[in-house]
This record gives sequence, structure tokens and C-alpha cells, in this order.
Amino acid sequence: NAGVTQTPKFRVLKTGQSMTLLCAQDMNHEYMYWYRQDPGMGLRLIHYSVGEGTTAKGEVPDGYNVSRLKKQNFLLGLESAAPSQTSVYFCASTSSGELSYEQYFGPGTRLTVT
Amino acid sequence: AQSVSQHNHHVILSEAASLELGCNYSYGGTVNLFWYVQYPGQHLQLLLKYFSGDPLVKGIKGFEAEFIKSKFSFNLRKPSVQWSDTAEYFCAGIWGTASKLTFGTGTRLQVTL
Repeated sequence: NAGVTQTPKFRVLKTGQSMTLLCAQDMNHEYMYWYRQDPGMGLRLIHYSVGEGTTAKGEVPDGYNVSRLKKQNFLLGLESAAPSQTSVYFCASTSSGELSYEQYFGPGTRLTVT
Repeated sequence: AQSVSQHNHHVILSEAASLELGCNYSYGGTVNLFWYVQYPGQHLQLLLKYFSGDPLVKGIKGFEAEFIKSKFSFNLRKPSVQWSDTAEYFCAGIWGTASKLTFGTGTRLQVTL
């Protein structure tokens, strides 16, 4: 099992450009999450999904959109990137059958917006 | 809204020193608590978790944490740290039937030789 994978690993964007980050998991997990990690702020939830075709806003959703067309994939989109979106983005997944809700994390995507 | 607080932002210890990192959670009913570790350049990995039962939880690499309900605390401990424990440590919680974790802001641990 590859677990949770993210592409790309690094990306540099100019202000106003758009991009999509892909998260894939092969554990048949129902729940998937997108976080951003910034120094001194820990991990903040952007959007999450509790099943194929469903998404919900997290703590910091503005400027991002997501889609969950397939159970194993969770896409995070930036329509018009801003320097404030420079961050490390982590995807995670968990099973609704996992009573303790342990989340499994991907390796992260480091995004710089200039 | 539920919250998790980590008051130690940066801790520096010498090898073999004992470690205790603080974590406090807000009241909100039944809670599951976690400690995650992030080694430099890597993704988060689970150290240990409290779901129910014995409040003293043992995790990987000699770490343990104690769930103290009366103090709303879930502090992480290790009797003797190693240089390889240098990392960032995150406490997190999930309440009731919620489907999302709430993370603390993290504690950066630096272990010197």
C-alpha cells in the first residue's frame, strides 16, 4: 500500500495563477482532509470530505475549492493564488470505521506564491 | 468551538533529559486525543492516541501520555530524550461524533548532544 500520496511535492506560482493539488489514498477511507501548515499556527483545516461527492468547509476555506469525484481522490484547487497561500499543504484520510479516527497523512506539498 | 492548546512553543533539551510537553483541551463531552510527531522534512506520524480506558497511554519510541480529565490535559512524556527526537509535536483532539480533528499549534523540540 502506498498510503496517502500527494502531487506535486513542490510548486511555485505567480500571484493570480491557478493550480490543483491532488491527494490519493489506497486504503478505501471514506474521510479525506486538506490542511495547511504555517509556522506557529499548527495545522489548520481547509476543507474535508466524508464521502464521495461530498465536501465541507473547514477552518480556513477562503480562496480554495475542493472536489471528491472518486472515493480515493481529493483535489484542492486554488483559482487565483495569493502570497498568503504560501504554505505547506497536507492531505489526510481516515476510515469512518476507525473508532479512534486516526488520520493518515501524506508527505505534503510545499507551495510558494510570488 | 472545541480547541486544543499547546503552551510550549519551543523546547530545548539535552540528550537524556526528561521531557514533558503540555496539551490542554476544551470541554465538549467525549473526546479522543492524539499526539502526532513531524520529523524535519517529513509528514505527520501518529505517536499515540487515547480513545478510552486506561488514561496512561503508551506510544511508539518510548513516549507516553496521561489523560487527566479533571485538568483537561493530555501531556506527552518521555523519560530520556534522544537527539533523534528532534521534531515538532502536535496534540490533537476529536469530540463526540465529529469527523474532523482539531490541532494545537505545535511544540518544536530541539535535542542537543
